[in-house]
Amino acid sequence: AQTVTQSQPEMSVQEAETVTLSCTYDTSESNYYLFWYKQPPSRQMILVIRQEAYKQQNATENRFSVNFQKAAKSFSLKISDSQLGDTAMYFCAFMSDTGNQFYFGTGTSLTVIP
Amino acid sequence: NAGVMQNPRHLVRRRGQEARLRCSPMKGHSHVYWYRQLPEEGLKFMVYLQKENIIDESGMPKERFSAEFPKEGPSILRIQQVVRGDSAAYFCASSQLLPMNTGELFFGEGSRLTVL
Repeated sequence: AQTVTQSQPEMSVQEAETVTLSCTYDTSESNYYLFWYKQPPSRQMILVIRQEAYKQQNATENRFSVNFQKAAKSFSLKISDSQLGDTAMYFCAFMSDTGNQFYFGTGTSLTVIP
Repeated sequence: NAGVMQNPRHLVRRRGQEARLRCSPMKGHSHVYWYRQLPEEGLKFMVYLQKENIIDESGMPKERFSAEFPKEGPSILRIQQVVRGDSAAYFCASSQLLPMNTGELFFGEGSRLTVL
């Protein structure tokens, strides 16, 4: 079974600073997808960034980037130039290439401080 | 293209009543997932369905909970004889069929169930 672990229940960052959210996972699969989803106070989940395990290059989406360490099974999210609108719950998720099943971590609550 | 639609957004039930939560996936999506989010907790997988088939219900409690995704109409999560512990936000998500699936789940806004 796949597991996803987020060891930081809460984090805070000053506006315009950089913050890194941690995520580790456990799987015996060789190919899979990893995701970071954001859940703002309005509660609708939205995709932030996606990484395909067979791609060695780290994914980047504007101010969001990941540090994907496949051997270590680590998938951290870096948010640069933090903005107030980044305040949200962030969930790390895993999807196997074979099962179309998604597994989520318990989330990290990020607060951006003005 | 409308997103994932869930209704009702808020539902209040007394203990012992039934709760029915509906989810219409995005157009063209044939996979539906239901997740439960308890206060201060993450998303817990409940069930994964395709049209007329339950693919994985390993996260569903064995009693009182059921789900369906009929050929026509929305997916329905049904909770019979609700108890206070069922109070939670229930999220539906949909995705496309592999290999067209980019891996992204599209979420609805959730249905918040409160059991009195």
